Amino acid sequence: EAGVTQFPSHSVIEKGQTVTLRCDPISGHDNLYWYRRVMGKEIKFLLHFVKESKQDESGMPNNRFLAERTGGTYSTLKVQPAELEDSGVYFCASSQDRRDTNYGYTFGSGTRLTVV
Amino acid sequence: AQSVTQPDIHITVSEGASLELRCNYSYGATPYLFWYVQSPGQGLQLLLKYFSGDTLVQGIKGFEAEFKRSQSSFNLRKPSVHWSDAAEYFCAVALSGYALNFGKGTSLLVTP
Repeated sequence: EAGVTQFPSHSVIEKGQTVTLRCDPISGHDNLYWYRRVMGKEIKFLLHFVKESKQDESGMPNNRFLAERTGGTYSTLKVQPAELEDSGVYFCASSQDRRDTNYGYTFGSGTRLTVV
Repeated sequence: AQSVTQPDIHITVSEGASLELRCNYSYGATPYLFWYVQSPGQGLQLLLKYFSGDTLVQGIKGFEAEFKRSQSSFNLRKPSVHWSDAAEYFCAVALSGYALNFGKGTSLLVTP
């Protein structure tokens, strides 16, 4: 079974530019999560999709961030325009059932975003 | 404020030595507790979790963790560290929902 795949693994962009991160969850996983780790800080929850619907986007830092999940399959996270403080590692995770009390998340290896 | 604290940013141990990574949490109720590991170039991998019951939890790769309610702690241990254990370790908690709250992580270096 393929794991959670994230593209690109690294991205370096200039302040003010736009970047789109992609996450391909495990096939059949309805739940998809985005997390972010800013340098020296904790990994923070950003949002949660169930299929194509946003269930909780309480962790999204501001309206420069836009997440979508087309057809309930892969998800994209767009940052527009990017600011220096957006630099960090963006993790995606998926799980089969939100009610799975075993918290059966599978995480991707992350996208390291550097804004210069 | 609710928080997860990993007091040690970096830890260095010799191969074969024992390991203990500390984790404390500050929540009103006992949360679900987790330890994750991230090796270079890899995703976060779940080592073990505690929901209820026996306070000593066994995980993968020879790791175990002990939940101590009185100390609000969930420390990770391994009796004998291998060079392949060098990685970053994250303690995480969850309340009733699905979002995980992570500590800042502890980076483990294993020396020969």
